[in-house]
Amino acid sequence: GAGVSQSPSNKVTEKGKDVELRCDPISGHTALYWYRQSLGQGLEFLIYFQGNSAPDKSGLPSDRFSAERTGGSVSTLTIQRTQQEDSAVYLCASSLGTGGPYEQYFGPGTRLTVT
Amino acid sequence: AQSVAQPEDQVNVAEGNPLTVKCTYSVSGNPYLFWYVQYPNRGLQFLLKYITGDNLIKGSYGFEAEFNKSQTSFHLKKPSALVSDSALYFCAVRDLTDKLIFGTGTRLQVFP
Repeated sequence: GAGVSQSPSNKVTEKGKDVELRCDPISGHTALYWYRQSLGQGLEFLIYFQGNSAPDKSGLPSDRFSAERTGGSVSTLTIQRTQQEDSAVYLCASSLGTGGPYEQYFGPGTRLTVT
Repeated sequence: AQSVAQPEDQVNVAEGNPLTVKCTYSVSGNPYLFWYVQYPNRGLQFLLKYITGDNLIKGSYGFEAEFNKSQTSFHLKKPSALVSDSALYFCAVRDLTDKLIFGTGTRLQVFP
């Protein structure tokens, strides 16, 4: 079946612009996660959604970052007023649920470059 | 807090030789541990996980992992390395709020 998809695969933007990154999880997966992978920082958790529960936003680095998940499926990560330190690969993952040892399946990522 | 450590930035091994990529963990309660692999310009691919039970876990692509509770380790192994195994490997632990906490990654280089 189809895996997690993300778009765009690459995004170059000017400092100060807003960007939107999209994630389509695996069908039937109720949990959706966003991570950021940057050089020297490894993989860091940003936010996750589980069903209709309030999202866990504890990893968002600033109030310029936000995310939503519509209809329990597609998610959009928005970064406002981008800064050069936002340059990274943004990874989305989904899993069957939470509260159990479900593995997360990752998309190919969106490489964001802020110039 | 849950955490994992990968003490080696890079592991070099000759093709055909056994390989080990190390991971140690620190958790409260029973650990759910995972290994992922990342090939260049690709997302992370799930290899295997430990939940409970057998200490030797079989995974994808011929990989296995050995869980050792007394040493709090979860090392990734493969009996015979392939050049195509060259990639970045991440160990991860599921924390109490269900997100994954990743190690810093180990680059595996298999030489022909």
